[in-house]
Amino acid sequence: DTAVSQTPKYLVTQMGNDKSIKCEQNLGHDTMYWYKQDSKKFLKIMFSYNNKELIINETVPNRFSPKSPDKAHLNLHINSLELGDSAVYFCASSQVSLRRVHSDTQYFGPGTRLTVL
Amino acid sequence: GENVEQHPSTLSVQEGDSAVIKCTYSDSASNYFPWYKQELGKRPQLIIDIRSNVGEKKDQRIAVTLNKTAKHFSLHITETQPEDSAVYFCAAKYFGNEKLTFGTGTRLTIIP
Repeated sequence: DTAVSQTPKYLVTQMGNDKSIKCEQNLGHDTMYWYKQDSKKFLKIMFSYNNKELIINETVPNRFSPKSPDKAHLNLHINSLELGDSAVYFCASSQVSLRRVHSDTQYFGPGTRLTVL
Repeated sequence: GENVEQHPSTLSVQEGDSAVIKCTYSDSASNYFPWYKQELGKRPQLIIDIRSNVGEKKDQRIAVTLNKTAKHFSLHITETQPEDSAVYFCAAKYFGNEKLTFGTGTRLTIIP
């Protein structure tokens, strides 16, 4: 029944490893996002996909690579993990209508707490 | 790009009193302003939003006001309760741009 889900909820790994976080939404939305929330609680957009097409790509190290196999899924792969990557990563989704009238509400997933040791 | 400033960063209020959180934005094209509440260890959840064609919107104890000329908007919570304790985020965007820019958050603590 969950609208936006993420796995895993917690991820603890060593520096230098490669890891992935998965996100799925069952709201029928066509746009999905990845946010990073650091220890100070700042929420920063990383990427956004609309119908599997990348539309937002903020200044993020290229060790981070999003992949959208279909519009209900947006995964985040991180290579060569660094200490500074430790944060909570939130996936979100919204519906972007053709007339962009009711497109704004973003629904967040439960978050993935990544800890890099 | 858009820049959203939020004040105060922390706010403590006696239970039953009102709380006000203020945000300013830089891009005059922004026309959608949501507020999210994030409880400890939980996801951000939308509590109220306002579009630029209205100046005020209310939902029970929560209200948001918007001053387009001054480019600021505020969240008002009346008759605060312990369950209002959380971090609140304001945000701004405009139609045609899917990027939602968040403020830095306000940690609200309701003192019983």
